[in-house]
Amino acid sequence: DTAVSQTPKYLVTQMGNDKSIKCEQNLGHDTMYWYKQDSKKFLKIMFSYNNKELIINETVPNRFSPKSPDKAHLNLHINSLELGDSAVYFCASSPFWAREKNTEAFFGQGTRLTVV
Amino acid sequence: AQTVTQSQPEMSVQEAETVTLSCTYDTSESDYYLFWYKQPPSRQMILVIRQEAYKQQNATENRFSVNFQKAAKSFSLKISDSQLGDAAMYFCAYRSPTSGTYKYIFGTGTRLKVLA
Repeated sequence: DTAVSQTPKYLVTQMGNDKSIKCEQNLGHDTMYWYKQDSKKFLKIMFSYNNKELIINETVPNRFSPKSPDKAHLNLHINSLELGDSAVYFCASSPFWAREKNTEAFFGQGTRLTVV
Repeated sequence: AQTVTQSQPEMSVQEAETVTLSCTYDTSESDYYLFWYKQPPSRQMILVIRQEAYKQQNATENRFSVNFQKAAKSFSLKISDSQLGDAAMYFCAYRSPTSGTYKYIFGTGTRLKVLA
């Protein structure tokens, strides 16, 4: 009964390949996110979706394409992977309206992507 | 734009002692939410404590408490009776309650070491 689950946990791939990371939440949240955590542990927002609609795209290269088939799922597809894409990618979800009882974001376990 | 600053890249504390992690933020909003997240080596992001800016009372959760100084835009985390399991990265985060802000803004993190 994991709240936010993302797969796979680890991904090792060669430069130039295309890969996807899947995310699902069972919390009934309307808003989902992708964050990137670099080697210095800095967490940076990449995308946020509200009820399947893209709301934020933080100057992410268009090789990264998120897709939300429904409000419980948010997948991330990455084309033509580069060495600099190596990082941990976190999926998260939260209530839409911050004045709801639980205002925090709930995170998946992260996907460690290594591009060789 | 809002920013979150954690000026202590690393802190150490003796087991059973008390340690305070610092966080400052910059915002022009009067209403917002602040959080501390813990990231152990397992890399799971775990909520430690949350604070609503409209509440004057400092939040507490067992051994964890905050010192929220709204005028100074300061939000420090105090860990009492430190345990070996408290060793982790700690991130301060900010969220605006307005419906147009679909993201959590994180500080750069503080690595906490607990010495036996």
